[in-house]
Amino acid sequence: AQTVTQSQPEMSVQEAETVTLSCTYDTSESDYYLFWYKQPPSRQMILVIRQEAYKQQNATENRFSVNFQKAAKSFSLKISDSQLGDAAMYFCAYRFSGTYKYIFGTGTRLKVLA
Amino acid sequence: GAGVSQTPSNKVTEKGKYVELRCDPISGHTALYWYRQSLGQGPEFLIYFQGTGAADDSGLPNDRFFAVRPEGSVSTLKIQRTERGDSAVYLCASSLTSPAGTAEAFFGQGTRLTVV
Repeated sequence: AQTVTQSQPEMSVQEAETVTLSCTYDTSESDYYLFWYKQPPSRQMILVIRQEAYKQQNATENRFSVNFQKAAKSFSLKISDSQLGDAAMYFCAYRFSGTYKYIFGTGTRLKVLA
Repeated sequence: GAGVSQTPSNKVTEKGKYVELRCDPISGHTALYWYRQSLGQGPEFLIYFQGTGAADDSGLPNDRFFAVRPEGSVSTLKIQRTERGDSAVYLCASSLTSPAGTAEAFFGQGTRLTVV
């Protein structure tokens, strides 16, 4: 069975600093997608970044980047130049290629300190 | 609409009552999903619609839960004889097609259901 584990229930970062959120997953599949979603207090899940497992290059989206280690089944999110608006719950998610079911981790609450 | 719309935003109901939660997906999106997010947890899959039909309802916890999408657009999640354990945020998402590949799912803001 596929599982996603986020071992950090809560993280804090100083404004303008860099923070890394950890995620590990377990799967026997070779073709899949990994995602980081942000959930602010409004509850809406917002896609932050996406990584295709077949791509070796780590995905980047402005201040957000990932460190994808396929052999280690690790998918961490790095947020650079943290801003107050980055404060939210962050969920790591997995989806096997060709299916529609997302499997989410339990989330990491990120606090940004002014 | 511009995004996935869910109503009501919050719903408080008494144990044993019947509730309906509505999801209005992005216009033109054929795929629609319901997820349930319990306190302190990530969302968990409930059901997937492709058009009007439920292609996969394997995540529905029991027969008190039912969902419909009669015209292939708006969907309603129905919960009979609600129990306190049904309290959660119910999230709806839609995507342009079946998300095989990189088709992105867009989520609504959810309905927070509280059963007292």
